[in-house]
Amino acid sequence: QSALTQPPSASGSPGQSVTISCTGTSSDVGAYNYVSWYQHHPGKAPKFMIYEVSKRPSGVPDRFSGSKSGNTASLTVSGLQAEDEADYYCSSFAGGHIQWVFGGGTKLTVL
Amino acid sequence: EVQLVESGGGLVQPGGSLRLSCEASGITFSNYWMAWVRQAPGKGLEWVANIKSDGSAKNHMDSLKGRFSISRDNAKNSLYLQMSNLRAEDTAVYYCVRHGYYNFDYWGQGTLVTVSS
Repeated sequence: QSALTQPPSASGSPGQSVTISCTGTSSDVGAYNYVSWYQHHPGKAPKFMIYEVSKRPSGVPDRFSGSKSGNTASLTVSGLQAEDEADYYCSSFAGGHIQWVFGGGTKLTVL
Repeated sequence: EVQLVESGGGLVQPGGSLRLSCEASGITFSNYWMAWVRQAPGKGLEWVANIKSDGSAKNHMDSLKGRFSISRDNAKNSLYLQMSNLRAEDTAVYYCVRHGYYNFDYWGQGTLVTVSS
């Protein structure tokens, strides 16, 4: 069982918006603004999409946005495109010996 | 272009050992913390270990109980993961990852480790 809880699947039609949640605890997501998100097309290297809850690295479309409330972070993909179909993982710094925790991943399907 | 290329994975018997390597290019390797993250079949990602840019500090997942050890050779732009007393539950794709500031900004494509008799 992963440390952060994500829904196993999410879906939307092209052009729609989808939000993926990532629930942790007051020791990780709730304690630090170091939540990041990764896109993974199977067989390829995961791609860094969001950092520090809501910031986008250079080159990531602004259709991808992040937020956090309490112990739950969220990734929203707006204007869904076919190439957005992938697995998405959240991660949070947890400090101490635990260091880093990840979610179990959400498979996003573009219908 | 940043490239992280893992090698050393394969089939190993329970109780065996394996050393994973990762060669970095396109970055000043010695400037960055590096990490290993793994993904067991059908499971999510799991942080394994990380190491400071100069190798002076290391952190490992507690549950590994000393079986794994991360190291690096900055002269060779290389990161390593020495794994011993391997168990079936260590079966996973192991990713070499560059640490950004409190995130993981570049990933390799991974190397598969299968622990089975």
